[in-house]
Amino acid sequence: QLVLTQSPSASASLGASVKLTCTLSSGRSNYAIAWHQQQPEKGPRFLMRLNSDGSHIKGDGIPDRFSGSSSGAERYLTISSLQSEDEADYYCQTWGTGIDWVFGGGTKLTVL
Amino acid sequence: EVQLLESGGGLAQPGGSLRLSCAASGFTFSSYAMTWVRQAPGKGLEWVSLISGSGGNTYYVDSVKGRFTISRDNSKNTLYLQVNSLRADDTAVYYCATAGHDGDAFDMWGQGTMVTVSS
Repeated sequence: QLVLTQSPSASASLGASVKLTCTLSSGRSNYAIAWHQQQPEKGPRFLMRLNSDGSHIKGDGIPDRFSGSSSGAERYLTISSLQSEDEADYYCQTWGTGIDWVFGGGTKLTVL
Repeated sequence: EVQLLESGGGLAQPGGSLRLSCAASGFTFSSYAMTWVRQAPGKGLEWVSLISGSGGNTYYVDSVKGRFTISRDNSKNTLYLQVNSLRADDTAVYYCATAGHDGDAFDMWGQGTMVTVSS
């Protein structure tokens, strides 16, 4: 079964960096994922597509402060120079062999 | 500018029906798979349904199979979701999104339309 696991919450200080983790279920370490941001009371926003080799393609207008990396079954989203507007829910999303699309449970990021 | 604009949400009774629409502009609509994703109040994102660019292939999450129907009109650049036999747990904001050319990353999102199922 295709499952993505995220920590429910994370926090970091204004101006600092934070690394969010999304873990793929067993046997899926070669899967690509997407990261999405959802600010309070807004719709989701595509951040990037992240491949298993760590290469990533960002969405239009996504700042350089957002980057992705991979290690085994783990997919990471790093946000540097945190700003207040980065306080949001972050979701990872992946897709199976044409029949399955899955979201992680989301991580609520608090900027202190 | 890419734009996805959902409409058609509202209040429906249990067992009722609604037809959600998503008007697309700013990209070659027929080249993209399209998807519906919902978010119940206070909850996370849940994938609901996906349709290929041609409309020939459709997919659904198990909880909506037999009740929801996804379709598209490429001549009108519009995506639809017919939602029937509504239940209280279908209450959510429904978002449309593009799903790449091959049904992968959801890379452009609309702002959503609210569906409330209540008597």
